[in-house]
Amino acid sequence: KAGVTQTPRYLIKTRGQQVTLSCSPISGHRSVSWYQQTPGQGLQFLFEYFSETQRNKGNFPGRFSGRQFSNSRSEMNVSTLELGDSALYLCASSLGDRAQPQHFGDGTRLSIL
Amino acid sequence: DAKTTQPTSMDCAEGRAANLPCNHSTISGNEYVYWYRQIHSQGPQYIIHGLKNNETNEMASLIITEDRKSSTLILPHATLRDTAVYYCVVDSWGKLQFGAGTQVVVTP
Repeated sequence: KAGVTQTPRYLIKTRGQQVTLSCSPISGHRSVSWYQQTPGQGLQFLFEYFSETQRNKGNFPGRFSGRQFSNSRSEMNVSTLELGDSALYLCASSLGDRAQPQHFGDGTRLSIL
Repeated sequence: DAKTTQPTSMDCAEGRAANLPCNHSTISGNEYVYWYRQIHSQGPQYIIHGLKNNETNEMASLIITEDRKSSTLILPHATLRDTAVYYCVVDSWGKLQFGAGTQVVVTP
């Protein structure tokens, strides 16, 4: 069974640009969550989508947004990029039941110049 | 939000059991405890989770205290490939709350 796939693996952008990251969940999983990992703040929850609706949201500014498609694939968008947005962005999928674990992809490494 | 506290690092001899403690004293009654590990440049890997009862799977065992304020992850026979950062995580209604993790180094 294929795992969570994130594309691209690496991305370099400059300040002020915007970026879109993609996540394909494990087949059959309806929930997709996004996390940001930085050396200073560790792993932080961004948001969760379930059946194309945002079900949960972390404490990030509105520049961070996401969406989920009918096939459960998800995209995350960051607008007006700042140097502090440099991070590893991780996507995790699950069946959507709280008793079921989230399975992570290997992330997209975003670097802002 | 519930927070977790773990030792910064620990060493373990290959073949021995590794016992990783975690404190989550502010956990709510319906929040699950999850354990993940992360090897450099990879995403976190799910290990095990529980709510109130002790749990065991092919990778590890999870011991949760009766008051649920702490837990211990047990790797029964550590191998060199178990070297990783181990995270004790509280699941707050689908929002995983990660702590700083424990760097575990397994030595020959």
